[in-house]
Amino acid sequence: DSGVTQTPKHLITATGQRVTLRCSPRSGDLSVYWYQQSLDQGLQFLIHYYNGEERAKGNILERFSAQQFPDLHSELNLSSLELGDSALYFCASSQGQGVYNEQFFGPGTRLTVL
Amino acid sequence: AQKVTQAQTEISVVEKEDVTLDCVYETRDTTYYLFWYKQPPSGELVFLIRRNSFDEQNEISGRYSWNFQKSTSSFNFTITASQVVDSAVYFCALGPVSGNTPLVFGKGTRLSVIA
Repeated sequence: DSGVTQTPKHLITATGQRVTLRCSPRSGDLSVYWYQQSLDQGLQFLIHYYNGEERAKGNILERFSAQQFPDLHSELNLSSLELGDSALYFCASSQGQGVYNEQFFGPGTRLTVL
Repeated sequence: AQKVTQAQTEISVVEKEDVTLDCVYETRDTTYYLFWYKQPPSGELVFLIRRNSFDEQNEISGRYSWNFQKSTSSFNFTITASQVVDSAVYFCALGPVSGNTPLVFGKGTRLSVIA
């Protein structure tokens, strides 16, 4: 158990809908990363927050947004969902803001868009 | 552009065999970090190792060993005397020594160890 929690574990929804994925980092970790894992694209970095501030953005669609709250938990919002958004979404946390720090991954949220 | 290539999509071995997972990377940075992560069937990625590019010493941790060759831009991972519990998808990743450039992951190698 990495200490990173993600809810929900599974999410099934329809195209056009909006969902929110939640992540609680390990105690003491200030950085939160979001990744998308799909069969064709592999593991893709979406966004990185450190202590509430956005630090880096990857190939994150405009329909997706994220934030990190004062208690350090983070939410990833996905809207106008398309079939291609079906994937496993991981959250990871680390102590410092450097990407080179060991990242601890949560169990992921499996999103299925029908 | 940074890139990590894991050419082996799937490998299947019999228990107790040794197996090497290949990782080749591309970067214009002179210093960088390399990582290996394991994703068991449960789904959660688990950190295995981080290596700085200026340290080319090979590393051994129990049955696991890593061979870093800067001259060939490779960071290969060997499991000695494989066990069924080693069955997982293994990812190699490349990252910066500073700044916020995100990690770049390879597509992963699925290892199946058969009893």
